[in-house]
Amino acid sequence: AQSVTQLDSHVSVSEGTPVLLRCNYSSSYSPSLFWYVQHPNKGLQLLLKYTSAATLVKGINGFEAEFKKSETSFHLTKPSAHMSDAAEYFCVVRTSGTYKYIFGTGTRLKVLA
Amino acid sequence: DAEITQSPRHKITETGRQVTLACHQTWNHNNMFWYRQDLGHGLRLIHYSYGVQDTNKGEVSDGYSVSRSNTEDLPLTLESAASSQTSVYFCASSGDNQETQYFGPGTRLLVL
Repeated sequence: AQSVTQLDSHVSVSEGTPVLLRCNYSSSYSPSLFWYVQHPNKGLQLLLKYTSAATLVKGINGFEAEFKKSETSFHLTKPSAHMSDAAEYFCVVRTSGTYKYIFGTGTRLKVLA
Repeated sequence: DAEITQSPRHKITETGRQVTLACHQTWNHNNMFWYRQDLGHGLRLIHYSYGVQDTNKGEVSDGYSVSRSNTEDLPLTLESAASSQTSVYFCASSGDNQETQYFGPGTRLLVL
């Protein structure tokens, strides 16, 4: 069975400092992994996705994530946080052979001025 | 531009009432999904459809039903609303051979 675990439910950073949101996955197959962002009272927007091409994936708004098979991780990073990055972030795995997603429980990012 | 819309955006109802939440997409996607979002659980799959007349149960389908009579719409019905169904509901769609799901803006449902 496939699953994702987001290791932090809340992360606080100061504006201008790096962001690290951690995600570990469990999958018997080569997974497809995603990061989505949800701003307050909004729908979900795709940040980036990994689908067995390059292991370092670049997304929108300066975010990137690295797929590490040996560590079963897909951590999301950004070099310098902006106030507008404050949101909830979801790590997602697509179940093998289907179009269904399994969501992590989310990480709420707070950016301090 | 293609989009996915949900209506209503907010709904208050009473326990025992039947409620239908609408989802409409203009992407011409075959795959459509309904999720509920609750604190501490992320998004959980309620029902999904891979095409007209096709519907399938997700992990939290009890008390919910869907029907797919055309490509664009997948309405979600709560047969007899319960307070445990107070949640935010999201609809999503994806195309065949496409990895990415596109999400609607959500419907906030309160069952009193």
